[in-house]
Amino acid sequence: EVQLVESGGGLIQPGGPLRLSCAASGFTVSSSYMTWVRQAPGKGLEWVAILYTGGSTYYADSVKGRFTISRDNSKNTLSLQMYGLRAEDTAMYYCARDSPYGDYDACWGQGTLVTVSS
Amino acid sequence: QSALTQPPSASGSPGHSVTISCTGTSNDVGGYHYVSWYQQHPGKAPKLMIYEVSKRPSGVPDRFSGSKSGNTASLTVSGLQADDEADYYCSSYSGDNTFGVFGTGTKVTVL
Repeated sequence: EVQLVESGGGLIQPGGPLRLSCAASGFTVSSSYMTWVRQAPGKGLEWVAILYTGGSTYYADSVKGRFTISRDNSKNTLSLQMYGLRAEDTAMYYCARDSPYGDYDACWGQGTLVTVSS
Repeated sequence: QSALTQPPSASGSPGHSVTISCTGTSNDVGGYHYVSWYQQHPGKAPKLMIYEVSKRPSGVPDRFSGSKSGNTASLTVSGLQADDEADYYCSSYSGDNTFGVFGTGTKVTVL
């Protein structure tokens, strides 16, 4: 069964770092476009970062220079390292085998909540 | 990059149809054949319903259909069922500089 399970969310103070992880099963992360999408409470969706199969990455302007997307092929996991967190980064973060190109075999995790507050 | 424009709400009676619009620009919806639609029930993760304007992933009923004309894409849900009540978001690829943008979202109510 294809599945994605996120972890690492929680309450973090402004300016702090946080690392989100996404464990994949049923498919190989390195063979898929993998993305992080976030949704602030009561708000819409936002593409945050994408990792292409070839290793290239793309980031939303709102997180560029602060967030880094990566994968560990040996563990079949996707990660999002976040630095300099701001209140406006508070959101549910979803890991997805998906992209703005669309994926006939798209799969999303259930999300992990990040709350940035003092 | 501005979000794509969707109506805040739409509704229809069971068995009837509802169509949701998604308006962008020539830099996103109008410029590429990469428009997707997602369904999101409260407290749940989004689910891909349509990709590449009109294609359905495996398992998505053919009651869901997509189309595009110019800078506006549309999602039609036919034969409305109670479980279709959810938020719907469109998404479009928007070129190498900004790579992707979502719509503002539409809450569909089954009357």
